Amino acid sequence: GQQLNQSPQSMFIQEGEDVSMNCTSSSIFNTWLWYKQDPGEGPVLLIALYKAGELTSNGRLTAQFGITRKDSFLNISASIPSDVGIYFCAGPLNYGGSQGNLIFGKGTKLSVKP
Amino acid sequence: EPEVTQTPSHQVTQMGQEVILRCVPISNHLYFYWYRQILGQKVEFLVSFYNNEISEKSEIFDDQFSVERPDGSNFTLKIRSTKLEDSAMYFCASSEAGAGGPGGELFFGEGSRLTVL
Repeated sequence: GQQLNQSPQSMFIQEGEDVSMNCTSSSIFNTWLWYKQDPGEGPVLLIALYKAGELTSNGRLTAQFGITRKDSFLNISASIPSDVGIYFCAGPLNYGGSQGNLIFGKGTKLSVKP
Repeated sequence: EPEVTQTPSHQVTQMGQEVILRCVPISNHLYFYWYRQILGQKVEFLVSFYNNEISEKSEIFDDQFSVERPDGSNFTLKIRSTKLEDSAMYFCASSEAGAGGPGGELFFGEGSRLTVL
């Protein structure tokens, strides 16, 4: 079945550093979503991507929809302590079909040292 | 800013008991979802609901689970006879349009933690 593979699983970085994480799949996705989850809370949508090749920014965050439709990356520039959390990529369970319920990757856990 | 709200935030129950988790989706949204997250694992899809009926469900969503929209604002998840492995964080989500395109972004509540003893 469809799976999303995220890497790295975890990152320990110094405040101020840039961060890059990615998500790959063996299947084509027509939408890529990036969520952040703080401990004990629900996922919060960061960026949504709908077109292959699309590059979208949200403040210090930038995400790209891979041209093959099988991958996406998320970059965070100049990290700050509140960037700590788990970042999930997600995409519709069935390509272009039905209600397109989401499948999530296993997440990248980000830790930031002040 | 509109948000999805969930109650209770934490429920502890004995194995075999029935549990109802409640959600109030964002008011103009038409699609509703339940997801769950076992501690330390990824978020998993349970069920989607549109136009007063289930539109999709996963293998996890067996006969012990049911969903209902009893009125114009609430969306509930019922587990009839809880098992130990039902212990997880349950997230309600809603979207304006079906997930997978513009307007289909899911907005999640803060979750209901279920602990089955």
